[in-house]
Amino acid sequence: GQQLNQSPQSMFIQEGEDVSMNCTSSSIFNTWLWYKQEPGEGPVLLIALYKAGELTSNGRLTAQFGITRKDSFLNISASIPSDVGIYFCAGGRWGSSNTGKLIFGQGTTLQVKP
Amino acid sequence: DVKVTQSSRYLVKRTGEKVFLECVQDMDHENMFWYRQDPGLGLRLIYFSYDVKMKEKGDIPEGYSVSREKKERFSLILESASTNQTSMYLCASSKRGGASTDTQYFGPGTRLTVL
Repeated sequence: GQQLNQSPQSMFIQEGEDVSMNCTSSSIFNTWLWYKQEPGEGPVLLIALYKAGELTSNGRLTAQFGITRKDSFLNISASIPSDVGIYFCAGGRWGSSNTGKLIFGQGTTLQVKP
Repeated sequence: DVKVTQSSRYLVKRTGEKVFLECVQDMDHENMFWYRQDPGLGLRLIYFSYDVKMKEKGDIPEGYSVSREKKERFSLILESASTNQTSMYLCASSKRGGASTDTQYFGPGTRLTVL
């Protein structure tokens, strides 16, 4: 199936640094979602974006829905060790499809060095 | 808070056994999904259901079937488990209607090992 282009694939950063990751697609989406998955657990929804240009924050996390509707980015400010995990983007097309099926990125693995 | 629960966190089965994975959500969601997750392959959709007794094939339905007899419960069935079905299985749900249709909430996952 189709997948989104998510980058970088992995990041190893120092505690306190800011982190940026993004997802791109050749087709447009009506929804962009960002999830975090910790080892052995299911993905947890971090931020949902529903409008082109929308910028939404959740604590130290900020995500934006690209104006072209073909991309999204996630920023984490002042990283801490518990930010470790895999971050996934997902795109949805509600409105043109009512099934709720999502297209997922491959994930960005984040490691934080204390 | 949305809660999606899966019947087992870890499961070990033998080749040829029939396996049932259960998923329950408590938020009256119409849409429910089953995925498998494998290293390097990401999340792949097996089946989904948008209403009771309704089901549709996802990207990799071979070797699986599903059952949705009640709105809150979606079961994944491996008729005859094989070693290549060893994987992490994730259930998700979303509410139909507007943008929430796309907003999926996941369960904690079931790590299935087939010997």
